[in-house]
Amino acid sequence: GAVVSQHPSWVICKSGTSVKIECRSLDFQATTMFWYRQFPKQSLMLMATSNEGSKATYEQGVEKDKFLINHASLTLSTLTVTSAHPEDSSFYICSARGDRDDGYTFGSGTRLTVV
Amino acid sequence: AQSVTQLDSQVPVFEEAPVELRCNYSSSVSVYLFWYVQYPNQGLQLLLKYLSGSTLVESINGFEAEFNKSQTSFHLRKPSVHISDTAEYFCAVIHAGGSYIPTFGRGTSLIVHP
Repeated sequence: GAVVSQHPSWVICKSGTSVKIECRSLDFQATTMFWYRQFPKQSLMLMATSNEGSKATYEQGVEKDKFLINHASLTLSTLTVTSAHPEDSSFYICSARGDRDDGYTFGSGTRLTVV
Repeated sequence: AQSVTQLDSQVPVFEEAPVELRCNYSSSVSVYLFWYVQYPNQGLQLLLKYLSGSTLVESINGFEAEFNKSQTSFHLRKPSVHISDTAEYFCAVIHAGGSYIPTFGRGTSLIVHP
């Protein structure tokens, strides 16, 4: 079945530094990738939608300059949290969609802690 | 606009008891419906989905869900739960013919006690 690999699974960084999270579709081409943020005991909050080769579409309230998304190929999308602050600490999850409208596969998530 | 309501934030149950996790959706057009399971500090795993055809769908680990169009529901059931079923369960809906971006419910925490 479809597999999405997300790395790193957890990261601790100092306030003010940047962190890059990778999301790769291993056995299919992902036309669209999604980035979510999840707070403890809450549902997933869609941050942005990215299509290969084009700019990401950000949801209202999500800072484009803070959360940089690059979808350079059909198998890789990256989320860079720039100048991270403690309030950016969260669980970030990516998902990828192949060529079928019903096919969504999620990565295993990244726990970001900013100290 | 589509929305998903998971009425119960937490469902405690004893091992080997039956369980039902409720999910209702709102949409004026055809939908695709999904249940995902999330274990602590992990991503979401697809449990089962309804796209079309038979309204009763089953997963390989004993869960089932029934699409009820008249009640706009897609409740998840299991006749006998195990400790290992303890997890967060999310219902999601995709508006067919729209953006195909899923809308998630807030999640239901299933807690199975020995």
